[in-house]
Formats: sequence, C-alpha cells, structure tokens
Amino acid sequence: NAGVMQNPRHLVRRRGQEARLRCSPMKGHSHVYWYRQLPEEGLKFMVYLQKENIIDESGMPKERFSAEFPKEGPSILRIQQVVRGDSAAYFCASSPPFGRGQETQYFGPGTRLLVL
Amino acid sequence: AQTVTQSQPEMSVQEAETVTLSCTYDTSESDYYLFWYKQPPSRQMILVIRQEAYKQQNATENRFSVNFQKAAKSFSLKISDSQLGDAAMYFCAYRWLPGNQFYFGTGTSLTVIP
Repeated sequence: NAGVMQNPRHLVRRRGQEARLRCSPMKGHSHVYWYRQLPEEGLKFMVYLQKENIIDESGMPKERFSAEFPKEGPSILRIQQVVRGDSAAYFCASSPPFGRGQETQYFGPGTRLLVL
Repeated sequence: AQTVTQSQPEMSVQEAETVTLSCTYDTSESDYYLFWYKQPPSRQMILVIRQEAYKQQNATENRFSVNFQKAAKSFSLKISDSQLGDAAMYFCAYRWLPGNQFYFGTGTSLTVIP
C-alpha cells in the first residue's frame, strides 16, 4: 500500500514564476491537507480538501495561493508569482474519510521549494 | 486557541540510554488526539505514537511511550534504549475532531551520542 506521494521533491523557481506541487493521497484516503514548514519551524496548516471541495482554507494566504483536489488525479497546490518568502517545505497529508484512523494524518515526503 | 509548546529546542542522549521529550498544549476541548512525529534528515514526517485524550492508559509503541497528563495538559515522549537511528527532529501535534488541522509544536532536535 503506497504511502502519500508528492512530486516534485525539489522545485526551483525564479521570482515571478508559478509553482505547482502535486500530492496523491494514500489508497482509500479522500481527505487531503497541505502544510508549510519554514526553516527551523513546525508545520503550519494551509488548506483541507476533499474530492472537488475545499473544506477549510483558513491557513492559506489570500493572494497567489490556490489548491484543488479534482475528481480524478492528484491534489495540486499552486503558487503564482512566487517570491523569496515562499521558499519552504510543503507537506501534503491524507486521512481516511471515516472510522478508526480518521483523526490521524499520514504525511508525504514533502516538496522543497526554493525561490531564487 | 489551540497551541502546542515544546520548550526543549535541543536534547541529547547516550546510545542505549533513555530520554524524555516534553510537550504541553492548550485547549478548551475535552476530546482530542495527541501525536508525536519524527522528522529525520530526509525530512519525511513519520508517525511515532498517538494518544486519544479520552483514554487514561498511556500509549506505547515498542521503545516509545508517552506520559499523558490530561489535567496538566502535558504529553511527553519517552524513548528507551536510544539508537543512532532515533536522531531526528521530534514534533508534538494536537488535533481536535471535528476540527480540520493539526497544530504542531516547534520541535525538539534529538542527538544520539554513540
């Protein structure tokens, strides 16, 4: 049973470019969460999605950031017009939809974004 | 507001010895979950152990155990017989259901001395 998959693992962008980060949840999981980790800090919640729905985006910056989880395919975190302050590790996590274990989130390996 | 505090930025332990990492949290909820995650140099987040707040019994996973003090809002992690592979950042996390997010502490960097 494959774990949460994220790609790319490393992404380098110049200021003003767009960054697209992908996440495929564990098999059977329909809930996806995105977190950001700045250097020397813990993870900070950004957004929670279910298939075709954004449930909670309270942690996501209002501008330049967007997320989706289409009916088919991976979840995508999109950052437009990146700035140096966007450099961070972005982690995706997934959880099952109900039942025992729904409270636990399983994390992917993260995408390290570097903005030059 | 839910907050998680890890007051030890760095800890070290001799190989084969025992070490305890501290975590406190603040919440007004009565039913919630607490977690310890390990982040080795690869930066993968690995679940170490999980505790349900309604359970009085402390969770145990092999060499890892917790001391959960609900009244004190304390959730420490004990690592017994420490191994070199235990060296990592350790994050304490809290989740309230049906809340959507995890709240993480700032982490404790554990060094294991051969």
